[in-house]
This record gives sequence, structure tokens and C-alpha cells, in this order.
Amino acid sequence: DVKVTQSSRYLVKRTGEKVFLECVQDMDHENMFWYRQDPGLGLRLIYFSYDVKMKEKGDIPEGYSVSREKKERFSLILESASTNQTSMYLCASSLFAGGEQFFGPGTRLTVL
Amino acid sequence: GESVGLHLPTLSVQEGDNSIINCAYSNSASDYFIWYKQESGKGPQFIIDIRSNMDKRQGQRVTVLLNKTVKHLSLQIAATQPGDSAVYFCAEMMNTGFQKLVFGTGTRLLVSP
Repeated sequence: DVKVTQSSRYLVKRTGEKVFLECVQDMDHENMFWYRQDPGLGLRLIYFSYDVKMKEKGDIPEGYSVSREKKERFSLILESASTNQTSMYLCASSLFAGGEQFFGPGTRLTVL
Repeated sequence: GESVGLHLPTLSVQEGDNSIINCAYSNSASDYFIWYKQESGKGPQFIIDIRSNMDKRQGQRVTVLLNKTVKHLSLQIAATQPGDSAVYFCAEMMNTGFQKLVFGTGTRLLVSP
């Protein structure tokens, strides 16, 4: 079975802090994704990566950056956290660009 | 557990009933669709998928129907069980220069014993 893990289930940070969310997948998938999930808005794509050191902006990249130094790891970075970034963050991976995505358990981030 | 959505449409059924969850998608050119289930405090989990060259696909206790004419998907769950209680999302694969999954906002299914 594909396993996607995220470094934290819950995080509480202060406004202005730099925040790192880590995601690791163990199935040698080429593609990795970061979403945020908010009530009434569903899942929205922040960034994705289709190869090591490659990244593409999703629908809501503002205030975020990503890093993919190794195939199995995709990090989401909030350079200066703000209260409107309080959300559930979900990482996913897929073998093919247009294929099924496997999700991690999510990180619930609260920015105070 | 955690709430994954505070203002979701909700379908309430009795255990043993059949459930039908509906979804309208936006792009007539989308050619791949997935249904996900998200239990409280967990990430979305794949249930079943369907390609646009099909109008029906069956899995274990689940059936997905695709009506391309009206851009409509439905998920049918037979003999619904309390463990089916979750939020269900449809997703369509759009090609916007790259392949992107676009998710619906979800429907909460509540199953009473």
C-alpha cells in the first residue's frame, strides 16, 4: 500500500514565524501535491511537483513556497505565517500526472 | 474527531439503506473522475474512479455513474453501514496545461444504526 506521511498532525505557530510542513511518500511516485482544506471551499491546490527540484504553482500559491530535494519528500514552507493560513494542509502523491492521488493524514495548522 | 467541513450538504440515511451522493462537475473536457471518502481526522481515501469513455463502474458495494450530457456524477453505496459515515468528494481531472484534480466541496453522509 502507498503510504504518505506528514510530519505533524497538529501545529500551533505565531504570526510571522517560518513554518515547515514535511511530507514523505514511500512508493517512488513522481508527482507530489500540497492542498489546503477549508470549510465550504473544499481542497485547493497550493503547489505541486512532477520531478525532483521541479515545482509548479497551483491555484493559491501566494504566501507559500515548496522544496523537493529528494523524490520522496516534498516540503511546504510558509515564509511568514499569517492568521489566514490557519487551515488543514494535505499532501498527496501520484504515480502518473493524471492518475489517482494518495493522501496523507493532514496537518492542522493554527496561526495565532 | 475533527470536522472537515462545517457547511456541507448532508445526507442522512438508516443503516441498510442505499445511499446516492451526487456531484456536478464543471468541465465537459474532463476525462477522469474520482470519488474520495474522508473520515473525521483523516486524509481523503480513494473509493472508485471512472473514465469518460464509460458511464458506469462498479466496485464492492459502490457504483459510480457518469452522465456526460449533464456533467453529473453519482456515487451509490449499497446497504450503507455506520462505517460509511464520512465526507465524500468527487474530483475531476482537468487539463489546464498540466493535469490537475479539481475537487467538489463534498457531501457529508450520516448513517444511523
